[in-house]
Amino acid sequence: DAGVIQSPRHEVTEMGQEVTLRCKPISGHDYLFWYRQTMMRGLELLIYFNNNVPIDDSGMPEDRFSAKMPNASFSTLKIQPSEPRDSAVYFCASSSRDRGRNYEQYFGPGTRLTVT
Amino acid sequence: DAKTTQPNSMESNEEEPVHLPCNHSTISGTDYIHWYRQLPSQGPEYVIHGLTSNVNNRMASLAIAEDRKSSTLILHRATLRDAAVYYCILKTSYDKVIFGPGTSLSVIP
Repeated sequence: DAGVIQSPRHEVTEMGQEVTLRCKPISGHDYLFWYRQTMMRGLELLIYFNNNVPIDDSGMPEDRFSAKMPNASFSTLKIQPSEPRDSAVYFCASSSRDRGRNYEQYFGPGTRLTVT
Repeated sequence: DAKTTQPNSMESNEEEPVHLPCNHSTISGTDYIHWYRQLPSQGPEYVIHGLTSNVNNRMASLAIAEDRKSSTLILHRATLRDAAVYYCILKTSYDKVIFGPGTSLSVIP
């Protein structure tokens, strides 16, 4: 398996522009997670899905952030409008119930977002 | 979610064992102890997890105190590739993993 795939790997944009981050989970995994990592705040869980349905979005910082999962093999995280404080590395992760109750999460390589 | 406490940083010499401690005094009976690590410029990766008994896998060993209020991740022979941030996590809800600041491990050649 190719693992979790994220695109783009790097994104530089200007303040006010819309940014869309993409994630393809591991085939067969039914959970998908979006995280954000900064030096100041560490790794933060933004939102997660189960079977394409958002379960917990309490970590989404504000209305400028939205996430969708239209099917089992694709998810997007959108920021509109973007602000400099959104600069961070955004990780996508997926996991599966097949391994039992406490299964591991597989992380993608991340998207480094810079908003100028 | 229950909290964990880890040292901010640790050093180890290459090819020596490393013991990474984690305190979780408020752990509940159903909490599993998970360890992840994050190598530089990569996403986190799962290392090991356990409930009550000590666990071994190809990457590491996990030693859990009898009262479960602390645990230790053991790397048997540290290599330069083990330099990473190690996260100790209590998995309290069914799905969520909440990361703390972790321990930054440096391996000295």
